[in-house]
Amino acid sequence: KQEVTQIPAALSVPEGENLVLNCSFTDSAIYNLQWFRQDPGKGLTSLLLIQSSQREQTSGRLNASLDKSSGRSTLYIAASQPGDSATYLCAGYGGATNKLIFGTGTLLAVQP
Amino acid sequence: GAGVSQSPSNKVTEKGKDVELRCDPISGHTALYWYRQSLGQGLEFLIYFQGNSAPDKSGLPSDRFSAERTGGSVSTLTIQRTQQEDSAVYLCASSLYGAGANVLTFGAGSRLTVL
Repeated sequence: KQEVTQIPAALSVPEGENLVLNCSFTDSAIYNLQWFRQDPGKGLTSLLLIQSSQREQTSGRLNASLDKSSGRSTLYIAASQPGDSATYLCAGYGGATNKLIFGTGTLLAVQP
Repeated sequence: GAGVSQSPSNKVTEKGKDVELRCDPISGHTALYWYRQSLGQGLEFLIYFQGNSAPDKSGLPSDRFSAERTGGSVSTLTIQRTQQEDSAVYLCASSLYGAGANVLTFGAGSRLTVL
């Protein structure tokens, strides 16, 4: 059974810092991977999608990479801002099933 | 529509009652997912619809849970004889095709509280 671990579970940083969020899968056979953010009381917003043929994706201050050999992904946030405060979730699609399997998330607080 | 719409946004019910949760996906999206998010927990897969194929129901926690998708568009998740452990936020998501290749767009969720 695929399990997804996100480290750290919670993170508090001062504004302006660069930071890295980690995601790892027990089954490294990940076909693609998505990163989402969730604001309190809201649904999920897709941030980045790394397709099967890709190793990383960039959008503005965000960069996500996927190492399929190890089943690990990282989300890099540059020059963090208070508006980045949210829960960040990674989700992997294994191809064998139709499910996106989600991690439990990293709660990020960026202090002004 | 412009996004995924879910209703009701909040539902409080008594134990033993039936509830229906509705999801209206983005127009043209063939794939539709239901997930459940309990307090402090990750997202738990419930069911997946793709076009006219038989749905993947492997995540439904018990036979009290069922879902339909009519006309390849609107979906209804029904929970019969609700229990307190059913309290959670139920999230619906859609994508153009399967989530293997496409971004998943989520609705704001339906918060269910079973007293």
